[in-house]
Amino acid sequence: DAKTTQPPSMDCAEGRAANLPCNHSTISGNEYVYWYRQIHSQGPQYIIHGLKNNETNEMASLIITEDRKSSTLILPHATLRDTAVYYCIVRVRDDKIIFGKGTRLHILP
Amino acid sequence: DTAVSQTPKYLVTQMGNDKSIKCEQNLGHDTMYWYKQDSKKFLKIMFSYNNKELIINETVPNRFSPKSPDKAHLNLHINSLELGDSAVYFCASSPMVSTDTQYFGPGTRLTVL
Repeated sequence: DAKTTQPPSMDCAEGRAANLPCNHSTISGNEYVYWYRQIHSQGPQYIIHGLKNNETNEMASLIITEDRKSSTLILPHATLRDTAVYYCIVRVRDDKIIFGKGTRLHILP
Repeated sequence: DTAVSQTPKYLVTQMGNDKSIKCEQNLGHDTMYWYKQDSKKFLKIMFSYNNKELIINETVPNRFSPKSPDKAHLNLHINSLELGDSAVYFCASSPMVSTDTQYFGPGTRLTVL
């Protein structure tokens, strides 16, 4: 079973920052937070991951709370191509990925 | 230059038939996976191979038999197809088991009539 809770859907205006929340209150000390997304009819795509510290790459930023019980994925300037289902996943590094239901993000023109 | 490719993209077949889906990755990765995404969009891992050896088998019916002729290929053979096998099947690869990123193929939509 997925160990995360995400809102089923969210809307964001094009050009604005999209902030996707994730709760993982039972996360263990050796579990990382990963984000993947799945654009319609495509395979999932890795976005970012982190353990304790905030992380940023060319796609997004990941903000993890100090108690690690929740995190937020930030897409700084959302475009229509960011419309997708976003999955927040917690896992030990060598364990399998368990996908939950994710958040369906709609970018509005 | 596709990283993870699958063939065919669509597969329509009758119940009881046997079919195969092929997967190839040109990333030089050691680990490959098969996932199933059902009509409710739940994405679940089925198998994982590392250097041609099975490391994960998620209690998939033994009608499903993965075959890895070399570490760049992981094919999925399905015997005696059932209606419930209709789904999208995704292949993925990663540099090794403990790596952070998995790279997914485009998927094969299997429809069993």
